[in-house]
Amino acid sequence: NAGVMQNPRHLVRRRGQEARLRCSPMKGHSHVYWYRQLPEEGLKFMVYLQKENIIDESGMPKERFSAEFPKEGPSILRIQQVVRGDSAAYFCASSPGGLPTDTQYFGPGTRLTVL
Amino acid sequence: SQKIEQNSEALNIQEGKTATLTCNYTNYSPAYLQWYRQDPGRGPVFLLLIRENEKEKRKERLKVTFDTTLKQSLFHITASQPADSATYLCALEDGNKLVFGAGTILRVKS
Repeated sequence: NAGVMQNPRHLVRRRGQEARLRCSPMKGHSHVYWYRQLPEEGLKFMVYLQKENIIDESGMPKERFSAEFPKEGPSILRIQQVVRGDSAAYFCASSPGGLPTDTQYFGPGTRLTVL
Repeated sequence: SQKIEQNSEALNIQEGKTATLTCNYTNYSPAYLQWYRQDPGRGPVFLLLIRENEKEKRKERLKVTFDTTLKQSLFHITASQPADSATYLCALEDGNKLVFGAGTILRVKS
C-alpha cells in the first residue's frame, strides 16, 4: 500500500508566478490536511478537506491561496502570484476518517523556493 | 494567547541513556496529544497518541506522559540509539486540526 504521495518534491518559481502542489492520499483515505513548515518552525495547519468539501480553512491565508480535493484525482494546493515569503516546505497528510484520534500519515513534502 | 512550546535547544545524549523531551502548552484544552518523529527532508511520522484521561502510554522503548494540570507532556526514549537522532514534534488536538510545536532536535552519540 503506497503512502501519501506529493509532487513535485521541489518547485522553483519566480515572484508573481503560480505554484501548484499535488497530494495523493493513501488508498482508502478520504481526508486530507495541508501544512506549511518554515525553517526552524513547526508545522502550521492550513486547510482540512474531505472529498469535494473544504471542512476547515482557518489556517489558510485569505488571498492567493486555495485548495481543492476533487472527487477524482489528487488534492491541489494552489498559490497564485507567489512572493518570497511563500518559500517553505508544504506537507500534506491523509487519514481514513475525520476523527480527531485518527492517525495522520504525512507525505514527503514539496519544497517551494520563490526567487 | 495560545502557545505550544518544546525545548528550543538540541538535546545531546550518550547512547544507552534515556532521552526526555518536554512539551508545554497554554490556553489549549486538548482531548489528546500526539508525538511525531521527523527526519531531515522527510515528512513527520506518527509515534504515539495519549488521551487526556491517560497518564502514561508506552510503546517499545518509548513512553509518553500527559499531565493536564501542568499542561505538559513528557516523551521518553529509553536505551537510546544513534538511529533515534531526529527532530521530535508534539502535536495537540484543537478541534478539526493538530497544532504542532516547533520540535526538539535529539542527537544520540555513540
